[in-house]
Amino acid sequence: GENVEQHPSTLSVQEGDSAVIKCTYSDSASNYFPWYKQELGKGPQLIIDIRSNVGEKKDQRIAVTLNKTAKHFSLHITETQPEDSAVYFCAASPLYTGGFKTIFGAGTRLFVKA
Amino acid sequence: GAGVSQSPRYKVAKRGQDVALRCDPISGHVSLFWYQQALGQGPEFLTYFQNEAQLDKSGLPSDRFFAERPEGSVSTLKIQRTQQEDSAVYLCASSLEREEYFGPGTRLTVT
Repeated sequence: GENVEQHPSTLSVQEGDSAVIKCTYSDSASNYFPWYKQELGKGPQLIIDIRSNVGEKKDQRIAVTLNKTAKHFSLHITETQPEDSAVYFCAASPLYTGGFKTIFGAGTRLFVKA
Repeated sequence: GAGVSQSPRYKVAKRGQDVALRCDPISGHVSLFWYQQALGQGPEFLTYFQNEAQLDKSGLPSDRFFAERPEGSVSTLKIQRTQQEDSAVYLCASSLEREEYFGPGTRLTVT
């Protein structure tokens, strides 16, 4: 079935350093790849997304890359700040007849030390 | 503008009780999703509506779970005869195109 694997499960960085989270997906019909940030007691918040016809996308300190051939995609956060500390989820969304669904990774808990 | 809201935020049920969880999506959003999130895990897909039509319910774990969206707006997830393994956060999301916007979730604890 559809599966999204995410690594690492925990990541600790010093403020100002970069953080990288990597994901792989199994369903070749996936054509939309969102990334979510979830803070304690809140629902996931969309922070950036990428579609399958694009290899890279950047928004200020956040960038995502996609390798459709290898079914890999990753999130890069530069110049990390303490407020970046949260759980991050990657997801892959296949489009199928009648709609779409989103398959999430298990999450990466990011700690940014001041 | 108003985001997705869910109620109640917290629910404690005794094993065997029925519960109903409500989701108010963003106005005008055609698609609505329910997810189950266990502690320390990512959200897991339960079901999907396009307007009032339930197009995919492949993620519902058993026939004790039932969802409806009768007028294509507010949705209710009902769990009958709750079991301890139903304890989780239930998330609702709505979307107009592909981007999904999540509510804060309902934390269900079954004792």
